[in-house]
Amino acid sequence: EAQVTQNPRYLITVTGKKLTVTCSQNMNHEYMSWYRQDPGLGLRQIYYSMNVEVTDKGDVPEGYKVSRKEKRNFPLILESPSPNQTSLYFCASSLNYGEQPQHFGDGTRLSIL
Amino acid sequence: QKEVEQDPGPLSVPEGAIVSLNCTYSNSAFQYFMWYRQYSRKGPELLMYTYSSGNKEDGRFTAQVDKSSKYISLFIRDSQPSDSATYLCAMKAPGGGNKLTFGTGTQLKVEL
Repeated sequence: EAQVTQNPRYLITVTGKKLTVTCSQNMNHEYMSWYRQDPGLGLRQIYYSMNVEVTDKGDVPEGYKVSRKEKRNFPLILESPSPNQTSLYFCASSLNYGEQPQHFGDGTRLSIL
Repeated sequence: QKEVEQDPGPLSVPEGAIVSLNCTYSNSAFQYFMWYRQYSRKGPELLMYTYSSGNKEDGRFTAQVDKSSKYISLFIRDSQPSDSATYLCAMKAPGGGNKLTFGTGTQLKVEL
């Protein structure tokens, strides 16, 4: 089954404790991206990757890092999480840069205390 | 002012009703228009994808784009309880790669 898998689905943690949210896709997609979804603000792109070793900032990259060492994986790293990063995070992938649709994972709900 | 405005709802309708969901936008460069459906605790899934102005129909769903008014709509005919979800509009400009600008979503509940 074609899917984008995120882990964990839920996480409660404390300010400053480094965390990684993993994202994996099994569709051999070149393009992957991370979004955060906040009430009243909608989905906003954090980072994206056009292919292995190629990443770029989206609209709200501050406080986040990403890496793309393999085509299927695109982890999101919060080196020093802060409460304003409490949000619902989605990973998405598509065949190529510019292609639709984007396939979304089921989300990771992060709470930073 | 946000680039894309969408009424958050919630919108509650009886089963079988025709539902109209709308977005307005300010960026005249947008040429590609999408509607995503998001069920509770799930990621968005693409429902409709249209280019420029006009209508597109897919089963019970019709997407309409009026570029002169900067207004897009999604109509759902014969609405079902399974249509209960949040509907997100999204838009992108040519050459914008995969950069989508999303509305905040309208929560729809179809009641038996």
